[in-house]
Amino acid sequence: AQSVSQHNHHVILSEAASLELGCNYSYGGTVNLFWYVQYPGQHLQLLLKYFSGDPLVKGIKGFEAEFIKSKFSFNLRKPSVQWSDTAEYFCAVGSGNTGKLIFGQGTTLQVKP
Amino acid sequence: GAGVSQTPSNKVTEKGKYVELRCDPISGHTALYWYRQSLGQGPEFLIYFQGTGAADDSGLPNDRFFAVRPEGSVSTLKIQRTERGDSAVYLCASSQPLGGGKADTQYFGPGTRLTVL
Repeated sequence: AQSVSQHNHHVILSEAASLELGCNYSYGGTVNLFWYVQYPGQHLQLLLKYFSGDPLVKGIKGFEAEFIKSKFSFNLRKPSVQWSDTAEYFCAVGSGNTGKLIFGQGTTLQVKP
Repeated sequence: GAGVSQTPSNKVTEKGKYVELRCDPISGHTALYWYRQSLGQGPEFLIYFQGTGAADDSGLPNDRFFAVRPEGSVSTLKIQRTERGDSAVYLCASSQPLGGGKADTQYFGPGTRLTVL
């Protein structure tokens, strides 16, 4: 069965620190990979996605993620976080047939000003 | 509409009652998904519609859960004989038609918070 694992449940950083959130997935077929973010009081929105091509993808607000097929990983990075990045971050893998998403359990990021 | 809308935003009901949750997808999106998110967890897939038909209902936990999308737009998730364990946020998402086996970006609504007392 497909599964997604996010290693960090709660991360606390100071502003300007670098961020890396781990995501590993288990799926035997072609994967589509996503990072979604949920800001306090708001609904889920897409940060970035990988379907094919360049394994380094760039998203909104300075976020990027790297797909490493050999490690079944899709880690999210940002060189310098801001207080406004405080949110919950979800990694997800999409099934190629139906598009249904399998989500990780999420990582809560708290950025201290 | 501008985005996916869901009503009600909050629903409190008693154990054993029947509830209906509504989702209005983005206009033109033929794919519609329902997910359930429990506290401290990521969303969990329930059911997927392509047009009017349920193409994948493998995530529905049991036969108390049912969903319809009769005209290929608005969808209703129905829960019979609610239990306390059904308490969660129910999310709806829609996307453009799939092509070539590609899972397109899903746009999520704000969710309905269901509390079963």
